[in-house]
Amino acid sequence: AQSVTQPDIHITVSEGASLELRCNYSYGATPYLFWYVQSPGQGLQLLLKYLSGDTLVQGIKGFEAEFKRSQSSFNLRKPSVHWSDAAEYFCAVASSGGSYIPTFGRGTSLIVHP
Amino acid sequence: DARVTQTPRHKVTEMGQEVTMRCQPILGHNTVFWYRQTMMQGLELLAYFRNRAPLDDSGMPKDRFSAEMPDATLATLKIQPSEPRDSAVYFCASGDDQQTGISDTQYFGPGTRLTVL
Repeated sequence: AQSVTQPDIHITVSEGASLELRCNYSYGATPYLFWYVQSPGQGLQLLLKYLSGDTLVQGIKGFEAEFKRSQSSFNLRKPSVHWSDAAEYFCAVASSGGSYIPTFGRGTSLIVHP
Repeated sequence: DARVTQTPRHKVTEMGQEVTMRCQPILGHNTVFWYRQTMMQGLELLAYFRNRAPLDDSGMPKDRFSAEMPDATLATLKIQPSEPRDSAVYFCASGDDQQTGISDTQYFGPGTRLTVL
């Protein structure tokens, strides 16, 4: 069965600083990988996804993520954080075969200091 | 700007009452997911529909929960009877796998915040 680990429950950064949110997955084959963002009181919104091909994926709002098979990781990065990036971030993994049902991590809460 | 809608946005009820939550997926989408989000458990999949047929409801407590899609524009999640431990935010998401075979993007609704007293 697939699983996702987001080791950091909370991350605090200063506005303008760089950001990296960690995500590790467990899945036997090449997975589909996703990052979603949830602002307070809202549903989740897709930031980016990896399905195949280039392992460096660009997303919306200036985010990117890199799939590293050797490390079973899909870390999310942003070079310069804005105060509006404060939110909950979820990594998800889905099987590349079968019925496709994503499994979500527990989320990382991003706090941005001015 | 197409989006998933959910009603009600907030629901407070007493233990033992029936609760019905509704979701309107994005027009043309053929997959619907129901999730429950709590602080303790995070985001849990309750049910998954494809072309209105339930494909996976293994995460749903069968004795009190039921999910249906009466038509392509409406998905419902019912709890009867409700219990305090059902208090959570319930999300509906829709997707389209008709082109690629996978719903590689899920579009989430704003959620229904349920409080059972």
